[in-house]
Parts: sequence; C-alpha cells; structure tokens
Amino acid sequence: RKEVEQDPGPFNVPEGATVAFNCTYSNSASQSFFWYRQDCRKEPKLLMSVYSSGNEDGRFTAQLNRASQYISLLIRDSKLSDSATYLCAVNPSGTYKYIFGTGTRLKVLA
Amino acid sequence: EAQVTQNPRYLITVTGKKLTVTCSQNMNHEYMSWYRQDPGLGLRQIYYSMNVEVTDKGDVPEGYKVSRKEKRNFPLILESPSPNQTSLYFCASSELGYEQYFGPGTRLTVT
Repeated sequence: RKEVEQDPGPFNVPEGATVAFNCTYSNSASQSFFWYRQDCRKEPKLLMSVYSSGNEDGRFTAQLNRASQYISLLIRDSKLSDSATYLCAVNPSGTYKYIFGTGTRLKVLA
Repeated sequence: EAQVTQNPRYLITVTGKKLTVTCSQNMNHEYMSWYRQDPGLGLRQIYYSMNVEVTDKGDVPEGYKVSRKEKRNFPLILESPSPNQTSLYFCASSELGYEQYFGPGTRLTVT
C-alpha cells in the first residue's frame, strides 16, 4: 500500500457543482496535512493546511478523519479556474519527510 | 517578495556530464527539500535538509547529491546524469512541519 493515495481522476464537473476529493494515508501517527493545487507542469501552490478541527477558506473546506486515516477537500460552486491537479501531502510524525499523493485532476466544464 | 528560485529552468545535457541545479530561498526557512515529478508517480522527495550542514535522504536519492553550506541555498548535484534522471525538479522550503513553498521548477532532459 502506498503511504499516501489519491484517486487520479479526472473528475469532470459542470460549473457550479460541488466536488470532493479524498486522500488516504497509511501512517497513523502523521501530524501535518496539506492540500496543494498544481496547474499544468507548474509548481504546486498551497491551497490549505488541514487541521484536526477542519478548516474552511471561501469555497474550499478541508477535513481530517483520523479514525479512517484520510483527509478530504470539498470545493463548492466550482469555477472554470478551479481546473487543476490537487495534491495532498503528509508529514509523518517523527520524520522530516513530506509524502505527496500523485494528485487528483479536476476539470470544470462550462 | 518571499520566494524560492531555481536555476536553470530548462536544461538539456548528455549522459555523464556533471551538473548542478541551484535553489535559493529568502524566507529564512530552516527546511529545504528537492523533489522530482514524473507522470504517474507524482512528487517524490530526493533529499531534504533540516538546517545548515544537516541533510538526509528522501525516497529516491540514488544518483543525486546535495549540500547545505548556507541557510538560503540548497543545490542539487548530479555527478553523472543518466537518461532515467530526465524529469521535472522542484525545490521547496518551509518551517519544519509547515506548508512548503516551491520554486518554479527545472525541466531536465538527459540524452
């Protein structure tokens, strides 16, 4: 089993739709979790850090489910500009490594 | 402006010719890291550094070297590049355990 797994997609959704992605992780002691957005062959950019209590930033909501070992990203009212690849990242506790998922590709259609 | 810079952005080279990709950050971050990104494999960590003179291997360190002599710089060295090192490389920096800031990437082709 991979340390961090994501459904590669693509998720094709119409404008205005709500879409959710999950990211599962195998190290139960992981402490830090992140969602990044990556546009085609450009650098990943931080979208949100994921806190135990969950967090929201405008149309984006991130949740952490420790019992089932996954994090989620919910995008409401999708825009064409949300089309990108979404990467999750985990910093396993007790290590200095960052482990990235392979990304979930989102296409928002007009 | 807070940023991570990488040079060169594009490089085509031949097998066996030593090369260095530079990375510099102006955010006074302790942690710096190198990744390679390949289709279907995602971002994989090559090496990371927790502070000056402190480095460690990531998941794919073979064929690479790094050094951290100054806090702001973290060069990636390929002593004898091979075609399987053709990839998109990203440098990143952060405070340890916090979100990482990425450089713009270096597209390397080894023929």
